[in-house]
Amino acid sequence: AQSVTQPDIHITVSEGASLELRCNYSYGATPYLFWYVQSPGQGLQLLLKYFSGDTLVQGIKGFEAEFKRSQSSFNLRKPSVHWSDAAEYFCAVGASGTYKYIFGTGTRLKVLA
Amino acid sequence: NAGVTQTPKFQVLKTGQSMTLQCAQDMNHEYMSWYRQDPGMGLRLIHYSVGAGITDQGEVPNGYNVSRSTTEDFPLRLLSAAPSQTSVYFCASSYSPAPVRPYEQYFGPGTRLTVT
Repeated sequence: AQSVTQPDIHITVSEGASLELRCNYSYGATPYLFWYVQSPGQGLQLLLKYFSGDTLVQGIKGFEAEFKRSQSSFNLRKPSVHWSDAAEYFCAVGASGTYKYIFGTGTRLKVLA
Repeated sequence: NAGVTQTPKFQVLKTGQSMTLQCAQDMNHEYMSWYRQDPGMGLRLIHYSVGAGITDQGEVPNGYNVSRSTTEDFPLRLLSAAPSQTSVYFCASSYSPAPVRPYEQYFGPGTRLTVT
């Protein structure tokens, strides 16, 4: 069965520091991987996705993620965090043959001025 | 485009009451879904639909009904509300590529439901 783990419930970084949010998945075949961001009181917005090809994908707002099959990971990174990046971040994984996917439990990011 | 819209934004129900959460999208997406979001549990799929007249259960379907009579609308019905259904509910829609595979979902702003 598919599963997604986001090991960090909360992360605090200083503005301007680099960021890495971890995501590990469990799935037998090539997964379809997504990162979403949720600002307080809002719905989710797609940051980036990986379907195939280049394992380093670029997204909106300066985010990128790297797919590492050997580690079953799809970690989200940003070189320099801005105060407006404070939000909750969700990793999700899906499989071919279905349109649905499952979400991780989320990582809440706090940014210190 | 309005995208995905949900009404109401907030709702308080008493145990045993019924209600319908409305969801509409104007992107002509075939795939629509309902999630609930609870602290520490991420988003869990309640029901989904791959087109008008076609619905299926997700991970946590008990206590909820859905129907899909048009491409645009996908209402979620709570038959007899329980305190365990206190949650934030999100509707989402996506393009449905062929061959079948997951695609970007567009989310509504959510409905915050409290059952007392």
